Amino acid sequence: TQLLEQSPQFLSIQEGENLTVYCNSSSVFSSLQWYRQEPGEGPVLLVTVVTGGEVKKLKRLTFQFGDARKDSSLHITAAQPGDTGLYLCAGERSQGGSEKLVFGKGMKLTVNP
Amino acid sequence: KAGVTQTPRYLIKTRGQQVTLSCSPISGHRSVSWYQQTPGQGLQFLFEYFSETQRNKGNFPGRFSGRQFSNSRSEMNVSTLELGDSALYLCASSRGLAGYLREQYFGPGTRLTVT
Repeated sequence: TQLLEQSPQFLSIQEGENLTVYCNSSSVFSSLQWYRQEPGEGPVLLVTVVTGGEVKKLKRLTFQFGDARKDSSLHITAAQPGDTGLYLCAGERSQGGSEKLVFGKGMKLTVNP
Repeated sequence: KAGVTQTPRYLIKTRGQQVTLSCSPISGHRSVSWYQQTPGQGLQFLFEYFSETQRNKGNFPGRFSGRQFSNSRSEMNVSTLELGDSALYLCASSRGLAGYLREQYFGPGTRLTVT
């Protein structure tokens, strides 16, 4: 069972469309991070959200942390071909006396010109 | 500021062999984590080192091992390679172990192919 479920898993859209990616769990996280990974490269950190209900904006990307800190969403406005990539969410939680980071499987986005 | 570097970038090995991968973290980062990424399983956590001590470990067999040196550089070793070990192995460094200190900065990965 995946601790962090991301949906959708795949998305192919046209340039200019809007989209939302969801990251859901039944567990509470102390923080949640979003990454984007391009083919042949490692993931790149986009944002970290910490407070329940927190909203952060990064140009055309809007990130929200759920009030209960169990879920998060990423909304992209007017998607561009440069947004193409694998979007990963990662949640930090305490387990066995240490903080652990768990990743979702990712959402593969293709933005067609 | 230099990013995380991993060597080699590509590697082809045969079943039964062993392999050592290297990771140099961002200067000042003391935590290094290793992940295995495959299309089917996604990003799976292998282990994390902080100040030369293994702090966390994922659910991988004992064939997978690692270590961290006093300069925070890390190596991971896979012995008795199996075909299923073919994957992209990613190293990530962070300043610390919790909160914003845990924000991970990934290297480009080592693509391992086992034939």
